[in-house]
Amino acid sequence: EPEVTQTPSHQVTQMGQEVILRCVPISNHLYFYWYRQILGQKVEFLVSFYNNEISEKSEIFDDQFSVERPDGSNFTLKIRSTKLEDSAMYFCASSEQNTGELFFGEGSRLTVL
Amino acid sequence: AQSVTQPDIHITVSEGASLELRCNYSYGATPYLFWYVQSPGQGLQLLLKYFSGDTLVQGIKGFEAEFKRSQSSFNLRKPSVHWSDAAEYFCAVGVRNTDKLIFGTGTRLQVFP
Repeated sequence: EPEVTQTPSHQVTQMGQEVILRCVPISNHLYFYWYRQILGQKVEFLVSFYNNEISEKSEIFDDQFSVERPDGSNFTLKIRSTKLEDSAMYFCASSEQNTGELFFGEGSRLTVL
Repeated sequence: AQSVTQPDIHITVSEGASLELRCNYSYGATPYLFWYVQSPGQGLQLLLKYFSGDTLVQGIKGFEAEFKRSQSSFNLRKPSVHWSDAAEYFCAVGVRNTDKLIFGTGTRLQVFP
């Protein structure tokens, strides 16, 4: 069964460092997403991406965040200068259509020290 | 603003017992509604969805949910719980004409033998 894969599963970084989280969506999917879950809190929408551009982003997704689909298979989330409050589980998801039927990866846990 | 409320943070049931997880939503129009499950160390998996039509929807793993517009609810049910159902369950509403899902805070289900 096709699945969304994410790397790394866990990353520890120092505050102020750049982090790139990688995702390989399901191959025939057209819509890509990043969500995050701070420990003990809700899963929150960060950004959606379609047709090689951001289609929607939340207020969380400020200038420190960026997304890219560099090679037609990977979908990356970059945090330019990490803050303590960026510590969370980051989930990548993809879908065939934008109807909310998302397929999620297992998540990348980011710990900022 | 759209929101999802899952009133029960933690539920414990015995294996073989019936289960109902509550979900209430706030949304101005007919919503898209979803239940996702997250097993430990795993990503979120779609259990079932409601878009329109029959208000009782069947999902995977023997789960079902009923959309009740008058109560703004979309409760998840299973007639007989298995130990493997122990996980965190998230209700979500899809915002029409946008890409994002709004999640509830989740309900952690514990199953005793």
